[in-house]
Amino acid sequence: GENVEQHPSTLSVQEGDSAVIKCTYSDSASNYFPWYKQELGKRPQLIIDIRSNVGEKKDQRIAVTLNKTAKHFSLHITETQPEDSAVYFCAAWEEPGGYQKVTFGTGTKLQVIP
Amino acid sequence: EAGVVQSPRYKIIEKKQPVAFWCNPISGHNTLYWYRQNLGQGPELLIRYENEEAVDDSQLPKDRFSAERLKGVDSTLKIQPAELGDSAVYLCASSLVRTVNTGELFFGEGSRLTVL
Repeated sequence: GENVEQHPSTLSVQEGDSAVIKCTYSDSASNYFPWYKQELGKRPQLIIDIRSNVGEKKDQRIAVTLNKTAKHFSLHITETQPEDSAVYFCAAWEEPGGYQKVTFGTGTKLQVIP
Repeated sequence: EAGVVQSPRYKIIEKKQPVAFWCNPISGHNTLYWYRQNLGQGPELLIRYENEEAVDDSQLPKDRFSAERLKGVDSTLKIQPAELGDSAVYLCASSLVRTVNTGELFFGEGSRLTVL
C-alpha cells in the first residue's frame, strides 16, 4: 500500500517569511495530491491540490509542486501570516480497482511568529 | 449545503464501556470514510464505504470495532469494549465516488473520545 512521509514535523517562521513542507510517496499509481490545513480543534480543510499531470499549481500565497519521477511534492507558503499557523497534512490519492484511497502524511505543525 | 455532520462531538467513558459515533455525509456523496486521528498525527483510515459496501476495512481492529452504513447514507462506528488506547478523534469524511476532477474529501468536525 501507499506510504506518505512528511517533513518537517514542526516549523517555525517569522511573519512574512516563506514556509516549505515536503512529502514523499511510495506508490507510483497515486495520481492526486491534496493538502489539508487543520486548525486547533477544527476539521481538516482542503487548501490546494495537484494532479499527476501537472508540475506546479499556485493559488495566491500558496503553491504546490510535484515531481512524479522522484515521487515527492511540496507545499510553499509565501508571505506567511499568523493565521497560517496550523497543522498541515499532505495526502496521496489513488484509485485501486476504481475505488478511491487516500493516505495522509503525519502532519507539519506550522507556527508563524508575529 | 450542510457539511458532514458527526455526533457526539465529545465523549468520555470508562474503559471496557461501549461507545458509538454517528456520521451523516454530504448528500449525494457515495464514499464515506472513518478515520482515527491521534494527537499530533495525521488521520489514519479505519474503514471506507462505497455506498453500503465496506471496500477497505483492513485497518479496522475487528475484535472491538464495528461499523455499518445502512442504506448507503448514514454510518455508525462502534467500539466495544473501549480501551485506553482508543482515546483519539474519530473523523468521518465523504466524497463523490470516482470524481476525477475534484477528489476532495469533506471532513466532519470529529468526535473526540476520551477513555479513562
